[in-house]
Amino acid sequence: GENVEQHPSTLSVQEGDSAVIKCTYSDSASNYFPWYKQELGKGPQLIIDIRSNVGEKKDQRIAVTLNKTAKHFSLHITETQPEDSAVYFCAASRTGGYQKVTFGTGTKLQVIP
Amino acid sequence: GAVVSQHPSWVICKSGTSVKIECRSLDFQATTMFWYRQFPKQSLMLMATSNEGSKATYEQGVEKDKFLINHASLTLSTLTVTSAHPEDSSFYICSAGTTYEQYFGPGTRLTVT
Repeated sequence: GENVEQHPSTLSVQEGDSAVIKCTYSDSASNYFPWYKQELGKGPQLIIDIRSNVGEKKDQRIAVTLNKTAKHFSLHITETQPEDSAVYFCAASRTGGYQKVTFGTGTKLQVIP
Repeated sequence: GAVVSQHPSWVICKSGTSVKIECRSLDFQATTMFWYRQFPKQSLMLMATSNEGSKATYEQGVEKDKFLINHASLTLSTLTVTSAHPEDSSFYICSAGTTYEQYFGPGTRLTVT
């Protein structure tokens, strides 16, 4: 089955700096890579996703890159704000909402004001 | 759109009793729903895949007789934890799949005393 590794497990940045979280996956058949933000006591919230036919996607301060050959994908948050503090999970699945999603181990991001 | 609700949001039960958690897709129909379990400071682990009108598919290591899943309609799936024990205390999260992605519920905190 799919295995997703995520680094780092914790990340502290000063407000305004950038944060980068990296993930690797094992199943070459995976072609959908969502990123979720989870605040304490809440369910995960999709913040951005990328599909295997795209190498990079950006949405305001958030960007995701995908290297399908190396099976790497990364989340970049620029101009971080205190409200970005949360746990972030990368994930991988095959295309379609009917496919099970395998989550990474999570990164706790702390943005220091 | 694409809202998934869970009920209850939190529940406390005594060891040996059973508890039912509901997952509803509020504004769309979901032929497939997923149940995840998340222990403190850990990632989401898929427990089972629930398909409307058929038996759920359980992940390896998940006891199907302990975690009963029913997906009786296109908008409702239920998870019943039978004969609950303190080690079943966890955050249970459901998701509902559409053609392209999954939408996650807010989670249910179960505490077994």
